[in-house]
Amino acid sequence: SAVISQKPSRDICQRGTSLTIQCQVDSQVTMMFWYRQQPGQSLTLIATANQGSEATYESGFVIDKFPISRPNLTFSTLTVSNMSPEDSSIYLCSVAPGRLVGHEQYFGPGTRLTVT
Amino acid sequence: AQTVTQSQPEMSVQEAETVTLSCTYDTSENNYYLFWYKQPPSRQMILVIRQEAYKQQNATENRFSVNFQKAAKSFSLKISDSQLGDTAMYFCALGQGGNEKLTFGTGTRLTIIP
Repeated sequence: SAVISQKPSRDICQRGTSLTIQCQVDSQVTMMFWYRQQPGQSLTLIATANQGSEATYESGFVIDKFPISRPNLTFSTLTVSNMSPEDSSIYLCSVAPGRLVGHEQYFGPGTRLTVT
Repeated sequence: AQTVTQSQPEMSVQEAETVTLSCTYDTSENNYYLFWYKQPPSRQMILVIRQEAYKQQNATENRFSVNFQKAAKSFSLKISDSQLGDTAMYFCALGQGGNEKLTFGTGTRLTIIP
């Protein structure tokens, strides 16, 4: 498994501002992902954070709204830009250590974002 | 496209009893993996159990076991001797063999009653 931390754990932001969420892993991992969990809902994959290249976004998510960085194999950031109340969600990062361990993902504790 | 369906939004059971959570899925892949994740009120997602589609034997982890019916595309989770700490949202998830992406179901809120 892997130990994953996220900062901040929660934040309240004003409409129109941006927030950057950090995800730190205690070991090098192949794959890192960002998910959104809207209130009372399931998890939706936003993008795969690729080390050294642009992130791969899922349908409905765009780089201008959710820019992602991954400068190395243990760290990634997700920025929620030009926020609106609809962006109020829990944002989770996850890691997959590699295909040899059977595809399971390990999740960070999440960042609870409230946009007013 | 992959889909995961959990038809039980909420369930409750008395402590020490056994409970089964249902999950069905659909995929065109032959190589895939199935998972159950638990999300307690602390919201930390915890991997409960995993199953490789190519394995016929059902996975078990202590009090947790699955009933994997590949032909029926069914993947249920059985929790034996339920404990208060089992109270959580439980998500069924499907992973493709060619990449690491997961598709999640809508979840089942399980409450263990003292």
